[in-house]
Amino acid sequence: KQEVTQIPAALSVPEGENLVLNCSFTDSAIYNLQWFRQDPGKGLTSLLLIQSSQREQTSGRLNASLDKSSGRSTLYIAASQPGDSATYLCAVMDTGRRALTFGSGTRLQVQP
Amino acid sequence: EAQVTQNPRYLITVTGKKLTVTCSQNMNHEYMSWYRQDPGLGLRQIYYSMNVEVTDKGDVPEGYKVSRKEKRNFPLILESPSPNQTSLYFCASSPDGWNTEAFFGQGTRLTVV
Repeated sequence: KQEVTQIPAALSVPEGENLVLNCSFTDSAIYNLQWFRQDPGKGLTSLLLIQSSQREQTSGRLNASLDKSSGRSTLYIAASQPGDSATYLCAVMDTGRRALTFGSGTRLQVQP
Repeated sequence: EAQVTQNPRYLITVTGKKLTVTCSQNMNHEYMSWYRQDPGLGLRQIYYSMNVEVTDKGDVPEGYKVSRKEKRNFPLILESPSPNQTSLYFCASSPDGWNTEAFFGQGTRLTVV
C-alpha cells in the first residue's frame, strides 16, 4: 500500500528565505505527483502536477522536482513571503487506482 | 469561474439523522470524488465516480452513499451519521481522474453529536 511522508511537519522561516519541502513515497508505480496548498477554510488549491515521465515543473516562484525511482519529490519556494504561509500537501496518483494518496503535510509559517 | 462548490460549509447534526452534503462542479469534469480529512490520518478517499451512473468505493466507504445522476453533481449521503463521521469533507473533480489536475471544494466541516 502506498505511503506518502512529508518532512518537516512544520517550518517557520523569515520572509525572503528560499526553502525546500520534502515528500517521499513508497511505491514508484505512479501516474503523477501533485503539490497542493491548504489554507484554513479555503480547501485545497493545486500548485503543480508532475507527470511520472517528467523531472520537474515550475510555476512562478515554485519549482517541484520528481525522482520516481527513489520515491522522492521536493517543492522549492523562492523568496518566501508571508502570503506563502499555509499547509503544503503532497499527493501521488497510483497506477491502477483512482485516488490520490496524501502526505500529512508541512505547515509553513513565513515571518514578516 | 471554474470551481467545485460544496454545501453546507458547516453542519452540526445528531446521531442517526440522515443528511446530504452536495457537491457541484462547473468544469464538465468526468471524474468526481469525496475525501475526508482527520487529524493524524490525513486525507482519505470515501467514494469516487468516473462518469454518470458509475461510482466505486474508495478507502473508507463504510457509512456513506453517493450517487451520480448528472455529470455536474455528486452528493454524499450519510444515512445514519455517527460521531466517528465527524470530520472535514472535501469534494474533488478532474477531467479524467488519473493524470490531470484535481480541483477541490472548500470543504464541509461536519460534527455529529
